Amino acid sequence: DTAVSQTPKYLVTQMGNDKSIKCEQNLGHDTMYWYKQDSKKFLKIMFSYNNKELIINETVPNRFSPKSPDKAHLNLHINSLELGDSAVYFCASSRLTEAFFGQGTRLTVV
Amino acid sequence: AQTVTQSQPEMSVQEAETVTLSCTYDTSESDYYLFWYKQPPSRQMILVIRQEAYKQQNATENRFSVNFQKAAKSFSLKISDSQLGDAAMYFCAYRGAAGNKLTFGGGTRVLVKP
Repeated sequence: DTAVSQTPKYLVTQMGNDKSIKCEQNLGHDTMYWYKQDSKKFLKIMFSYNNKELIINETVPNRFSPKSPDKAHLNLHINSLELGDSAVYFCASSRLTEAFFGQGTRLTVV
Repeated sequence: AQTVTQSQPEMSVQEAETVTLSCTYDTSESDYYLFWYKQPPSRQMILVIRQEAYKQQNATENRFSVNFQKAAKSFSLKISDSQLGDAAMYFCAYRGAAGNKLTFGGGTRVLVKP
């Protein structure tokens, strides 16, 4: 059983399009995250949700909108995609200490 | 704000030898957690080892061990008997005890030579 699963694994889209990435965790964790990994491999927190409530929004453009319908799901919707949005996006979840990561979604904007 | 620094962009090690990766961090908190994650080419983020700041004993997980120096805010990872499968990016990460996020260092690429 996959602990944190995100779909799709790869996403290629044109500038200006709107796209979504879905994430689900079956670990019973209260906290979920979205991280962005850029081309230099640097990992940066985008959002953190605890029990469906947004608790961290790290100066992410408002074209990015997370949605948490329940504790086990945290989806990421991106409007008006730009070339600079190309990156790997990781969903993760945690309870108290370490985070468990999904396999990542490689987003390529052309 | 907490920061995590990995000063070695890349390290090379001969198979079966030992390599040590450096990590320093900056925090004003007294209670926190430190981690090393491995990211192989598959890009999956895999937890290697965890250290609680309140524990003086250094964590070990099979061939992986850490040297945690709380006063110096240093958290190095030693990989013993390196194997080809150890080749990956390694990230050091920090989480405050009351925090809601992991802060990552910039990563160190480990190359293993046969």
